[in-house]
Amino acid sequence: NAGVTQTPKFQVLKTGQSMTLQCAQDMNHNSMYWYRQDPGMGLRLIYYSASEGTTDKGEVPNGYNVSRLNKREFSLRLESAAPSQTSVYFCASSFGTGRNEQFFGPGTRLTVL
Amino acid sequence: GEDVEQSLFLSVREGDSSVINCTYTDSSSTYLYWYKQEPGAGLQLLTYIFSNMDMKQDQRLTVLLNKKDKHLSLRIADTQTGDSAIYFCAVGYNDMRFGAGTRLTVKP
Repeated sequence: NAGVTQTPKFQVLKTGQSMTLQCAQDMNHNSMYWYRQDPGMGLRLIYYSASEGTTDKGEVPNGYNVSRLNKREFSLRLESAAPSQTSVYFCASSFGTGRNEQFFGPGTRLTVL
Repeated sequence: GEDVEQSLFLSVREGDSSVINCTYTDSSSTYLYWYKQEPGAGLQLLTYIFSNMDMKQDQRLTVLLNKKDKHLSLRIADTQTGDSAIYFCAVGYNDMRFGAGTRLTVKP
């Protein structure tokens, strides 16, 4: 089992460019999440999908869109990247029941110039 | 929304106990979590406590929950250099809120 995989690992964009971060899980989890991690601020939830076919805003959704493509895949799109979106992005997944342990991917380091 | 606060740094000597503290605002969460992040990696669940418990012990880890004061702590006994990492307190369920993380440094 690969767990949670994310692509790409690193990306550099210019202001105004668009890109999609991909995430996939092979644990048959119902719920998936996108976070950003910034120094001194911990992880902040961008969007989550509690189940296939649903998405909800988290704490910092502005400037992002998501797609729950199927049960395995949850993508994050930046339509017009801004320097404030420079961050490390983590995808996570969970069963969405019980203690709801979240399993994290290795992260994508994004720099917007 | 939920606010979760933790101190940013903690330094201890190998063999000492480490105590990482966390305060939160929303008391409706069923579970409260401690996650660990090692350099260059994603987070991994370290332990958790059910909201109707006061204490949970798991080998070298002890979690204390004071619901009245909305205070959560993680104690690591006999801290080893391999425990050096960032520790995050987290509260919530799907809409999880994380603290800023406490960087634990263990000196030999």
